Amino acid sequence: EAGVAQSPRYKIIEKRQSVAFWCNPISGHATLYWYQQILGQGPKLLIQFQNNGVVDDSQLPKDRFSAERLKGVDSTLKIQPAKLEDSAVYLCASSPRNYGYTFGSGTRLTVV
Amino acid sequence: EDQVTQSPEALRLQEGESSSLNCSYTVSGLRGLFWYRQDPGKGPEFLFTLYSAGEEKEKERLKATLTKKESFLHITAPKPEDSATYLCAVQSHSGGGADGLTFGKGTHLIIQP
Repeated sequence: EAGVAQSPRYKIIEKRQSVAFWCNPISGHATLYWYQQILGQGPKLLIQFQNNGVVDDSQLPKDRFSAERLKGVDSTLKIQPAKLEDSAVYLCASSPRNYGYTFGSGTRLTVV
Repeated sequence: EDQVTQSPEALRLQEGESSSLNCSYTVSGLRGLFWYRQDPGKGPEFLFTLYSAGEEKEKERLKATLTKKESFLHITAPKPEDSATYLCAVQSHSGGGADGLTFGKGTHLIIQP
């Protein structure tokens, strides 16, 4: 079974620029999550999708972050404009039905 | 608000020296407690889910236990390849299908040969 695919693996941008991350979940997994992991911290949930609908985005900074999941499969997370404090690893995870998360390897974002 | 506190933050052991990692939690209604292993540059890798106090699960040299307030991850006779950051997370009963995990900061474990 193929894992959760994320790209790019690394991204360096200047503050106030925009950036987008892509996630392809495990085939058939209805639930998709985006987490932010700042260095030395545990992952923090940003948004949860069930198929292509948003279930929970209560911790998503909506003034600069946005996410979508087209056709209930791939998802993109966008930051515009980026701040220095957005430097982190952005992890995507998927689950067949609210159990048994599988995480991708993440995208490491550095904002300079 | 769900909270997870892990201790110690870091632990250095000799190969073969058994020990335990602690995860204390507060949650409105526990749906599950999760343990993950994370290697540098990789995403968390699932280890265990515990659902109720008294439950125990084992995998190779690892054993996870759960009480109403905390969970322990026991490592028996560890090997250098067990070196990693171990993350604990809780999932609570929430309305509307929201089931995201709340993670602790993790315990960074180093096993020296």
